[in-house]
Amino acid sequence: SQTIHQWPATLVQPVGSPLSLECTVEGTSNPNLYWYRQAAGRGLQLLFYSVGIGQISSEVPQNLSASRPQDRQFILSSKKLLLSDSGFYLCAWSFTGDRGGYTFGSGTRLTVV
Amino acid sequence: QQQVKQSPQSLIVQKGGISIINCAYENTAFDYFPWYQQFPGKGPALLIAIRPDVSEKKEGRFTISFNKSAKQFSLHIMDSQPGDSATYFCAGSQGGSEKLVFGKGTKLTVNP
Repeated sequence: SQTIHQWPATLVQPVGSPLSLECTVEGTSNPNLYWYRQAAGRGLQLLFYSVGIGQISSEVPQNLSASRPQDRQFILSSKKLLLSDSGFYLCAWSFTGDRGGYTFGSGTRLTVV
Repeated sequence: QQQVKQSPQSLIVQKGGISIINCAYENTAFDYFPWYQQFPGKGPALLIAIRPDVSEKKEGRFTISFNKSAKQFSLHIMDSQPGDSATYFCAGSQGGSEKLVFGKGTKLTVNP
């Protein structure tokens, strides 16, 4: 069966520090991968999605970047965090062409102080 | 064109009552409409989904009603239980796109 792992679960970082959040999927190959941010009252905001290694699409201009160095690995990064980067970050995967929906990870609660 | 509008933002229901959450979409190319359930501190999980070729889909106490002409769909939770207290998201996507467009969520509280 497929599983998605996301870490760390919580993170407190100072303003201006770098960020690296990692997401890995097991039990499948060539998944579509997504990074979402969830802020209070704003629902689920799609940040990046990837349909293959090295293929990244950005949905929202921001202080963040994403990379997919391996088929089942998706990384969210920032060189210098802002206070506004605080939020709940969720990774998700889906099958290409499968309309069965997304499977989300358990999320990372990021607080920038 | 890509928005999915969800209401209400929050909902309080008594145990045993019916919870109703409504969504409206703009993109007529949308052909897949899932609902996700999210408990605090967890990622959303797929609850139930519908395609526009049917007007209703039922799974246990959860029912999606779909009105294609009005571009609206809703989630009904029958016999609501305290364990149903969570945030619910509706979403839509169109064929050929892997991206889901989510509503802003509804926080449901079921009082015992």
